Amino acid sequence: DQQVKQNSPSLSVQEGRISILNCDYTNSMFDYFLWYKKYPAEGPTFLISISSIKDKNEDGRFTVFLNKSAKHLSLHIVPSQPGDSAVYFCAASARGSGNTGKLIFGQGTTLQVKP
Amino acid sequence: DTAVSQTPKYLVTQMGNDKSIKCEQNLGHDTMYWYKQDSKKFLKIMFSYNNKELIINETVPNRFSPKSPDKAHLNLHINSLELGDSAVYFCASSQDQQGYVGYTFGSGTRLTVV
Repeated sequence: DQQVKQNSPSLSVQEGRISILNCDYTNSMFDYFLWYKKYPAEGPTFLISISSIKDKNEDGRFTVFLNKSAKHLSLHIVPSQPGDSAVYFCAASARGSGNTGKLIFGQGTTLQVKP
Repeated sequence: DTAVSQTPKYLVTQMGNDKSIKCEQNLGHDTMYWYKQDSKKFLKIMFSYNNKELIINETVPNRFSPKSPDKAHLNLHINSLELGDSAVYFCASSQDQQGYVGYTFGSGTRLTVV
């Protein structure tokens, strides 16, 4: 029972264009969402997060959008750069009372940005 | 100066052996985790410790035993290794138990059981 899903295993975009990575979740108790970026032979690194009280959070070229009614979030990268080529993991957490705040991860989307 | 370091980076061993993976963090974080990335690439939590106390134990076979001698270290010992234990194991830490600011991950240990 996978509560966080990234249905696109891979995405290829041209440098300078927008990259949109999608993530769906099933657990309505999730109230905090994060995106991680992973290069080969390295651990995932934190990229950006959003609380369920917001529908958008922006940090430089990275913007995360949250649609709670659809249980969907997306990561937009504008403009995409070759250095953005990596695996992107979506993660979710239920941080409310009684929860441990553990992160549930999707299976990742491999982004390739072509020069 | 690595924030979360795991050793070894690669581990190849035979079925039935016992092995340990070590993890250390120098961030002063209170909470540490072990995650397993399986062949389908999902990252699944195995254990978490908060200040040396076990917080999460996610239906992991009891062949896996975490040990936290202090809050900067969380080691993973695996008994009687099986082929299905082959995976990449990631250690992580966070400032707080709720993970408000996300986790800092180590670079992973690729375990191959033959």
